[in-house]
Amino acid sequence: EPEVTQTPSHQVTQMGQEVILRCVPISNHLYFYWYRQILGQKVEFLVSFYNNEISEKSEIFDDQFSVERPDGSNFTLKIRSTKLEDSAMYFCALGGDTGELFFGEGSRLTVL
Amino acid sequence: AQSVTQLGSHVSVSEGALVLLRCNYSSSVPPYLFWYVQYPNQGLQLLLKYTSAATLVKGINGFEAEFKKSETSFHLTKPSAHMSDAAEYFCAVRPYSSASKIIFGSGTRLSIRP
Repeated sequence: EPEVTQTPSHQVTQMGQEVILRCVPISNHLYFYWYRQILGQKVEFLVSFYNNEISEKSEIFDDQFSVERPDGSNFTLKIRSTKLEDSAMYFCALGGDTGELFFGEGSRLTVL
Repeated sequence: AQSVTQLGSHVSVSEGALVLLRCNYSSSVPPYLFWYVQYPNQGLQLLLKYTSAATLVKGINGFEAEFKKSETSFHLTKPSAHMSDAAEYFCAVRPYSSASKIIFGSGTRLSIRP
């Protein structure tokens, strides 16, 4: 099972500030995903990223969100101007060989 | 659109009793199906997966699930519950041959009574 490290584990920010969440896979992968989970709710798909391009995104993933793989290793999710409703756990995931996803431990974002 | 429905947002069983968590999928073509477990304040861990091979799938921690096409179901079971099984369980679906997203159900919280 591939390992995924996410940083920070918890970030507190003021509304309107920019936030960058990072994901570092231990091994090389082509498929990356971001999901979020608002406290006590279901796990929601945000975006999938393949070969350095967005392959699919949800309606949640609006212009405030962006993803990058800036150095071929880190995979980042940026929220340009955070809103209160962006408070959630954000999970990075890697695609497996038979369709499964392997998730990191998540980054908890709290917007005040 | 592909989706999964988990019946029961909360299930409580006694230690040593059978665990049954229900999941039904909507798809005209058998998809890939998964069960994930989430312990408090942790990420999602893959329990097991169905990818059109054997219909009875065995996973980690003594869990298994059976794919039933006639019932469009993929229920998760464990013969004897342990206290350590208390967690949130998510059924998930991925369209067959799609390289795209996995869609999660709303989750079932499993509580174990001593």
